Amino acid sequence: AQSVTQLDSQVPVFEEAPVELRCNYSSSVSVYLFWYVQYPNQGLQLLLKYLSGSTLVKGINGFEAEFNKSQTSFHLRKPSVHISDTAEYFCAVVKEETSGSRLTFGEGTQLTVNP
Amino acid sequence: NAGVMQNPRHLVRRRGQEARLRCSPMKGHSHVYWYRQLPEEGLKFMVYLQKENIIDESGMPKERFSAEFPKEGPSILRIQQVVRGDSAAYFCASSHSGTANTEAFFGQGTRLTVV
Repeated sequence: AQSVTQLDSQVPVFEEAPVELRCNYSSSVSVYLFWYVQYPNQGLQLLLKYLSGSTLVKGINGFEAEFNKSQTSFHLRKPSVHISDTAEYFCAVVKEETSGSRLTFGEGTQLTVNP
Repeated sequence: NAGVMQNPRHLVRRRGQEARLRCSPMKGHSHVYWYRQLPEEGLKFMVYLQKENIIDESGMPKERFSAEFPKEGPSILRIQQVVRGDSAAYFCASSHSGTANTEAFFGQGTRLTVV
């Protein structure tokens, strides 16, 4: 079985500051990795995903994440955040050798950007 | 191309009643996934369906919960004899193929409140 740990439940930052949201995973098999964002009372929107190749992945809204296999991490970063980035962020994995996109999610990190 | 449509957005049921949640996948998508998000928690996989088939229901509670995805019409998640602990947001996602690296698109969710 696989599991995902998001190390911070809440991250408050000031506008234009950099931010890093941490994600570690545990799995006995190879996985694909995803970051989703959830705005209040909305569904989830894909920010970025790592399938293979370059370990630095760029996504929408200026976010990027780096896959580190030795540390089993997939931390999300943004060099300068905006008020509109305030949302819940979820890290997720899915086993490579499986059918369907059955995601295992972390508990989420609430990012709050203050003026 | 409309996204994943879930209805109703909000549903209030008294204890012991039945709840029916509907999900229309994106056009051309034949794979549907249901997730449950309890308050202050991440999303938990419930069931994976293709047209007329349940592929994986390992995340479904053994009693009172059922899901279907008929040849015509939306996917339905049915909860019989609801209890207060069923109060949660239920999200549906769809994908166009059954490979693990396929992006799943999420609906806005149905927020079920049991009173």
